[in-house]
Amino acid sequence: EPEVTQTPSHQVTQMGQEVILRCVPISNHLYFYWYRQILGQKVEFLVSFYNNEISEKSEIFDDQFSVERPDGSNFTLKIRSTKLEDSAMYFCASSEPRGASNEQFFGPGTRLTVL
Amino acid sequence: AQSVTQLGSHVSVSEGALVLLRCNYSSSVPPYLFWYVQYPNQGLQLLLKYTSAATLVKGINGFEAEFKKSETSFHLTKPSAHMSDAAEYFCAVSDPGTASKLTFGTGTRLQVTL
Repeated sequence: EPEVTQTPSHQVTQMGQEVILRCVPISNHLYFYWYRQILGQKVEFLVSFYNNEISEKSEIFDDQFSVERPDGSNFTLKIRSTKLEDSAMYFCASSEPRGASNEQFFGPGTRLTVL
Repeated sequence: AQSVTQLGSHVSVSEGALVLLRCNYSSSVPPYLFWYVQYPNQGLQLLLKYTSAATLVKGINGFEAEFKKSETSFHLTKPSAHMSDAAEYFCAVSDPGTASKLTFGTGTRLQVTL
């Protein structure tokens, strides 16, 4: 069964460093998303992406964040200068182009720890 | 703006007992509603979804949920709990249609005891 994959599973970085989180969505999906979950809190929407541009972003997704689909398979989230409060689990998701169910398939997540 | 309220951050049931996890939503348009489950150290797995068809929705692992517009609710139930159901459950809402963001509730941790 096709699935969304994410790498790395864990990332530890120093405050102020740049990190890139990688995702491989399901191959025929055209809508991509990033969500995050701070430890013990709810899952929060960051950004959605379609046709090589951002469709929607939350107030969390400020200038420190960017997304890119550098090739036909990867979808990345970059944080330019990490802060302590960026420590969270980051989930990538994708959904199909057709139909109106909006069923989003989630990857296993990347746990980001900023020291 | 949409929102989801999950009453009860922790629910404990005995194995074989009824599971009831509560979800109420707020939405200015007819919503799509979802229940996701998260097992420890894993991602989110879709249990079931409501997308304006039948109001009683059946999902995986014996779970079901009923959309009640008059009560703005989408409670998740399972007639008989199993130890393997212990996990975190999240209710989510989105605008209808494709590619709308999901707005999640705070989650309910289900504990199943012998």
